[in-house]
Amino acid sequence: DAGVIQSPRHEVTEMGQEVTLRCKPISGHNSLFWYRQTMMRGLELLIYFNNNVPIDDSGMPEDRFSAKMPNASFSTLKIQPSEPRDSAVYFCASSRPRGTGVLIEAFFGQGTRLTVV
Amino acid sequence: AQTVTQSQPEMSVQEAETVTLSCTYDTSESNYYLFWYKQPPSRQMILVIRQEAYKQQNATENRFSVNFQKAAKSFSLKISDSQLGDTAMYFCAFMGPANTGNQFYFGTGTSLTVIP
Repeated sequence: DAGVIQSPRHEVTEMGQEVTLRCKPISGHNSLFWYRQTMMRGLELLIYFNNNVPIDDSGMPEDRFSAKMPNASFSTLKIQPSEPRDSAVYFCASSRPRGTGVLIEAFFGQGTRLTVV
Repeated sequence: AQTVTQSQPEMSVQEAETVTLSCTYDTSESNYYLFWYKQPPSRQMILVIRQEAYKQQNATENRFSVNFQKAAKSFSLKISDSQLGDTAMYFCAFMGPANTGNQFYFGTGTSLTVIP
């Protein structure tokens, strides 16, 4: 199992540009989460999907942020247009379906460090 | 949304000593899950220990143990025989029962430094 795979690991972009972050969850996991980590605000839940459907996007900061999950093995987080205050580490995580005997855990990718200049 | 509070932004401990990290949470649910995650400088988030609220026995994983006080909504992490590799950010997290969704809610973290 390769774990949760995020790309790119690092992204530097100019203000106003579109940024797309990508995530491949662990096969068989049905929940996917996007988090943003900053020194000031810690780990913020931006959005989460269950069975490819967005369930809670209340953490998405503005309309400039959008997320999609077209299938069970791929998700994107897009920022358009990007601003310097969007600079942060963005994590994708996935978890398996709940059930008897299932150990609940969020498995995280390595994160994407985004810098908007 | 549930809230998770970690009131210690930074802590330090001498190598081989014991340290306790605090976490409190707020929920009206009776069945839920609690977690401690470790984030070393590599940035990778690693599960340290989990606790199911319906289990009265405190979870233990080698040098890591928790003190789960359900009535007080407290979930502290004790690290025994601290090692240099324990230097990391530690996050407390909460997940509610299935009918409330599958979100993991995280605290703001405690930065732990183990001093040689």
